[in-house]
Amino acid sequence: GQQVMQIPQYQHVQEGEDFTTYCNSSTTLSNIQWYKQRPGGHPVFLIQLVKSGEVKKQKRLTFQFGEAKKNSSLHITATQTTDVGTYFCAANAGGTSYGKLTFGQGTILTVHP
Amino acid sequence: NAGVTQTPKFRILKIGQSMTLQCTQDMNHNYMYWYRQDPGMGLKLIYYSVGAGITDKGEVPNGYNVSRSTTEDFPLRLELAAPSQTSVYFCASRDRSHGTEAFFGQGTRLTVV
Repeated sequence: GQQVMQIPQYQHVQEGEDFTTYCNSSTTLSNIQWYKQRPGGHPVFLIQLVKSGEVKKQKRLTFQFGEAKKNSSLHITATQTTDVGTYFCAANAGGTSYGKLTFGQGTILTVHP
Repeated sequence: NAGVTQTPKFRILKIGQSMTLQCTQDMNHNYMYWYRQDPGMGLKLIYYSVGAGITDKGEVPNGYNVSRSTTEDFPLRLELAAPSQTSVYFCASRDRSHGTEAFFGQGTRLTVV
């Protein structure tokens, strides 16, 4: 079945440093989504990428979708303590498994003030 | 604007007991999902449904059962609880349009002792 690998598992940064998490799929994706989960909370949708090579920005967050649509990344510039949480990528399956939404393992971000 | 509602929020079960985790959504979403999240880990898909009467297994279905008799409800059944099922369970839903965002419930924290 479809597998989505996400690295790193943990990232500790000082406030103001940048942060990047990477997501890789074993198969070509139709699209990919990113979610954030605050400690003790539930995942909340951030963004969706659809096109090959697509880049989207949300303030300090930059999302990229690879040219081959098999990998994606989330980059946060100048982290703040409010960025603390777990960031997940999620892949939509196609074909006979349409509707299936598979999450990566997540990257737990800790920001030290 | 209830969104996705899960009950109960917390539950302690004894080994061998059974229970049903309830999930209901009021957004008329066709797709619904059950995930489990172990401490510090990612979201693992247990079961999903693309519409009433249609369910399919995810990555970790053993020990669980689901049903989808209506669009709104997607209960998850644990027949013989085991300590390995201690986890936080999240229900999610999304519209059938391909690639739309998933909305999550607040989660059910289950402990099996």
